[in-house]
Amino acid sequence: DAGVIQSPRHEVTEMGQEVTLRCKPISGHDYLFWYRQTMMRGLELLIYFNNNVPIDDSGMPEDRFSAKMPNASFSTLKIQPSEPRDSAVYFCASVVWGREEGAFFGQGTRLTVV
Amino acid sequence: QQQVKQSPQSLIVQKGGISIINCAYENTAFDYFPWYQQFPGKGPALLIAIRPDVSEKKEGRFTISFNKSAKQFSLHIMDSQPGDSATYFCAASTYGDMRFGAGTRLTVKP
Repeated sequence: DAGVIQSPRHEVTEMGQEVTLRCKPISGHDYLFWYRQTMMRGLELLIYFNNNVPIDDSGMPEDRFSAKMPNASFSTLKIQPSEPRDSAVYFCASVVWGREEGAFFGQGTRLTVV
Repeated sequence: QQQVKQSPQSLIVQKGGISIINCAYENTAFDYFPWYQQFPGKGPALLIAIRPDVSEKKEGRFTISFNKSAKQFSLHIMDSQPGDSATYFCAASTYGDMRFGAGTRLTVKP
């Protein structure tokens, strides 16, 4: 398996534009997480899914953020409209819960909103 | 949302020294405590993990010490090497809910 795949790796957009981040988890993994990483706040859990169902989205900062997982092999995180304070690295991670191998992270998407 | 508190924020250690990073948690439902290592431009990767039924776990130069009553756990890196220079995150989790500490940037000087 190629691991967790995120796209794009880098995104630069203007304030007010819609941004969509994509994630392909590892096949067979039953949990998928979206995290946001900044220097100030570290790794913040935004939302996680279990078997494609959103379980906890309390970390989503505002209604401008939304996430979907239409099937076991794909998830999106959308920001609309984007703001400069959304600039961060966004990570997707997947795991088979209960295994000792831990969560596998993608390479991340570095988002810059100007 | 900071359910896991991590310290120090940054750490500088001489080669061969011991690096110690501490974490504390509040939620007693957490039952899995992993440590992740992150290099620049990469996603975090699992380093070592422990469950609360043991007080210590060692893998090579890396040791987790766990104190259930105090709700604290720590990572010890023995014989620290320049290649260990990275950001380290502790985490606490239960049934899919995985929360991270703020991270510790470790620099090991040659």
